[in-house]
Amino acid sequence: AQSVTQPDIHITVSEGASLELRCNYSYGATPYLFWYVQSPGQGLQLLLKYFSGDTLVQGIKGFEAEFKRSQSSFNLRKPSVHWSDAAEYFCAVGALYTGNQFYFGTGTSLTVIP
Amino acid sequence: KAGVTQTPRYLIKTRGQQVTLSCSPISGHRSVSWYQQTPGQGLQFLFEYFSETQRNKGNFPGRFSGRQFSNSRSEMNVSTLELGDSALYLCASSQTSVPQTGELFFGEGSRLTVL
Repeated sequence: AQSVTQPDIHITVSEGASLELRCNYSYGATPYLFWYVQSPGQGLQLLLKYFSGDTLVQGIKGFEAEFKRSQSSFNLRKPSVHWSDAAEYFCAVGALYTGNQFYFGTGTSLTVIP
Repeated sequence: KAGVTQTPRYLIKTRGQQVTLSCSPISGHRSVSWYQQTPGQGLQFLFEYFSETQRNKGNFPGRFSGRQFSNSRSEMNVSTLELGDSALYLCASSQTSVPQTGELFFGEGSRLTVL
C-alpha cells in the first residue's frame, strides 16, 4: 500500500539554524515526490518536486530536498531558517499512472524562535 | 492570472444535512482534484475530474460525490453529513496530470463544521 510518513509532528528551530524535515514513502511504482508548505488559513504551495534525474532538487525560498531510493526517503533541508518559514510542511508522493491522486504525509509543523 | 477559488470559505451545517462546495480552477486548467484535510488524517484524496469525467476516486463513502462542468468548474457534494466530515476541503487544479505539468495549484479551502 502506498503511504507517506513524516516522523516529526512538530519541530522547533532557532532563526538562522539549519533545518531538515524527514519524509519516508512506501510506493510500488517509480515515485514522483513533492514538498508543499501551508501557512495558516491558506492553501498548499509547492516548494519543490522530484520526477527523475539529479536526486538533489532545488526549490523556492532556499529549500532543497534529496531523493534516496535505497532509504525510500525525500528529506527537505534549508541551511538557514527565517522566521517566515514557520508553517506546516507536507511531503507527497504520486505516480504517472495515478494522475493527480497524491498520497500526503500528516505534516510537520515548524516553529521558528527568534 | 487568478488562482484557484473556492466557495464558500466557511460554513456550518448540522448532522444529516447536505453541503455543496464549489471550485473554480485556474483559467486553462482542465483537471480539478479534491482533498479532505483533517488534523488526524492529514490530506486525503477524494476524487479528480478531467474534462467533466471522474478520472480517479479515493476511498470515501458514496456520500461524497462531485462533478465538473464544461468550463472546468467543479462542485463536490456531501450528503447526510456526519460529525466526522468536519474538515478543510481543498481543491487543486492543473493543466493535466501533474507528472506532465509539474504542479498542483491549491485553493485556500472550504472549512466545513458539522454540529
